Amino acid sequence: DTGVSQDPRHKITKRGQNVTFRCDPISEHNRLYWYRQTLGQGPEFLTYFQNEAQLEKSRLLSDRFSAERPKGSFSTLEIQRTEQGDSAMYLCASSLARGGDTEAFFGQGTRLTVV
Amino acid sequence: DQQVKQNSPSLSVQEGRISILNCDYTNSMFDYFLWYKKYPAEGPTFLISISSIKDKNEDGRFTVFLNKSAKHLSLHIVPSQPGDSAVYFCAASQMQGGSEKLVFGKGTKLTVNP
Repeated sequence: DTGVSQDPRHKITKRGQNVTFRCDPISEHNRLYWYRQTLGQGPEFLTYFQNEAQLEKSRLLSDRFSAERPKGSFSTLEIQRTEQGDSAMYLCASSLARGGDTEAFFGQGTRLTVV
Repeated sequence: DQQVKQNSPSLSVQEGRISILNCDYTNSMFDYFLWYKKYPAEGPTFLISISSIKDKNEDGRFTVFLNKSAKHLSLHIVPSQPGDSAVYFCAASQMQGGSEKLVFGKGTKLTVNP
């Protein structure tokens, strides 16, 4: 399977706990994105990396959220002290920057439920 | 403030007929537009895109039209098939503006009836 892979697919956690999600992009893709989707909404941008550099962060990404892509390959998204409002589908996408039009390919997402 | 709007939450068409999904945007700096299809419990799947220098792009049964003056784009599916039933998201970005993020609409649920 050469698509974007996310782990875990589902996560149930108690309020106040920390969670970490992993994303493995398509291998030759240098850009990696995190989005969040709640019911009835489209995906909302959180942050993106080009190689290992985090180039843009949404104001949705509060201090409790941190993302890393240490070697320019896989990425992790950590949420500290989870709140019920963090319950959502967290989507990772990757793309290959080639100086023009480029589409992002999404993984299947990690569904987070905070109880 | 919704910069990308899909005003029809749902659309139902008969198999074999044309499906037309509409999308409006407010940010004139957007220069690249995409359509994604999403099935339940899966991530969005890329369908087709169009650059702002074009007004039409076609890929098989899917055609996207862009009207920059009206800040409007549409996705045509001809002929529609039951397997096309899914939620369709319109997305836009400012490729030349250096912002790589996609801004999505809320989606339109398409149902194609046999």
